[in-house]
Amino acid sequence: AQTVTQSQPEMSVQEAETVTLSCTYDTSESDYYLFWYKQPPSRQMILVIRQEAYKQQNATENRFSVNFQKAAKSFSLKISDSQLGDAAMYFCAYRRGRTSYDKVIFGPGTSLSVIP
Amino acid sequence: NAGVTQTPKFQVLKTGQSMTLQCAQDMNHEYMSWYRQDPGMGLRLIHYSVGAGITDQGEVPNGYNVSRSTTEDFPLRLLSAAPSQTSVYFCASSYSMLGTENTGELFFGEGSRLTVL
Repeated sequence: AQTVTQSQPEMSVQEAETVTLSCTYDTSESDYYLFWYKQPPSRQMILVIRQEAYKQQNATENRFSVNFQKAAKSFSLKISDSQLGDAAMYFCAYRRGRTSYDKVIFGPGTSLSVIP
Repeated sequence: NAGVTQTPKFQVLKTGQSMTLQCAQDMNHEYMSWYRQDPGMGLRLIHYSVGAGITDQGEVPNGYNVSRSTTEDFPLRLLSAAPSQTSVYFCASSYSMLGTENTGELFFGEGSRLTVL
């Protein structure tokens, strides 16, 4: 069974600094997708960034980028120029599939605090 | 554009009572799922469905039933509530098959906080 691990229950970062959140996963599949979701105190789940396993290039979305290491089964999220609005729970997620999508498995989450 | 709608947003039950959490989506998504969120445990998959008439168990299915009679609706039933089912529940949907505009992203409802006394 696929599993997703986030080894940092809590992290903090100074405003305007850079922080990296870790995620590792376990799978025997070769085709899958990885996601980072953000959950602010409002409880809303927001997609931050998505990575296809068959693409070697790391995904980026403005201040958010990932370091995808397929062989190591590692998928870390880097937040640059941290802002107060980045304070939230961050969940790493895995989804098997290439031509169709399977169920989505989430990690336990990392709570990120941003210090003014 | 409603997206994924969950009701109720809050509910208090007594042990042994039954209830149904409703989930509806208007995006014509084939895939729908239910998660529960507990502190330190992330989102754990309860049940999911890849289309009308098809359901499957997730990581924590015990104590919950689902059915999928239409593409739009995916209700979650608690037949005999227990205090261990106190949690925040999320319904989420997405496309099942790859398409030019499909990203595999899950679209979430706002969550339902359930307390079982």
